[in-house]
Amino acid sequence: DAGVIQSPRHEVTEMGQEVTLRCKPISGHDYLFWYRQTMMRGLELLIYFNNNVPIDDSGMPEDRFSAKMPNASFSTLKIQPSEPRDSAVYFCASTISGGRDEQFFGPGTRLTVL
Amino acid sequence: DQQVKQNSPSLSVQEGRISILNCDYTNSMFDYFLWYKKYPAEGPTFLISISSIKDKNEDGRFTVFLNKSAKHLSLHIVPSQPGDSAVYFCAASATHQKVTFGTGTKLQVIP
Repeated sequence: DAGVIQSPRHEVTEMGQEVTLRCKPISGHDYLFWYRQTMMRGLELLIYFNNNVPIDDSGMPEDRFSAKMPNASFSTLKIQPSEPRDSAVYFCASTISGGRDEQFFGPGTRLTVL
Repeated sequence: DQQVKQNSPSLSVQEGRISILNCDYTNSMFDYFLWYKKYPAEGPTFLISISSIKDKNEDGRFTVFLNKSAKHLSLHIVPSQPGDSAVYFCAASATHQKVTFGTGTKLQVIP
């Protein structure tokens, strides 16, 4: 079975540009999470969805960040405009309701904003 | 406000010896705890978990201990192997599905 798929794996952009990160969860999973990994804060939960509906976006750092899940097999995290401090590794994870908290992570997108 | 803390950013252990990774938490509502392992250029993978109704859970070479009164948990790996070299994240949850992660501890097992 395919795991969580993220694209692109690496993204280098200039400050002020729009960045879109993409995620395809594992088929049948009904929860999807977006995390950001930094040295200082570890893995931070940005937002999570249940059945395509955003449940908690309290971790989204600013209005520059937005996330959507138009269907059960696709989600995007958008940063507009991007800033150098957004440079980090962004992970998407999914899980199935009832599977107590074990999440399956994608390989991550390493974002560098110059 | 870091609710899950891993105060040791790194740890080095000789192959065959025990590795002990520590984690502290502040939220007394946390009732489920997990450890994830992460290799470079990969996403974290689930390793082991423990419910707050237990104080120990064992899976092969990996054992997690929970001390609720101290709000402390630890992961023991014995014997340690070079393939265990990775970053280990402690995580906790108070409600179903939302998990709070720590900052990670990088373990190096020296052959």
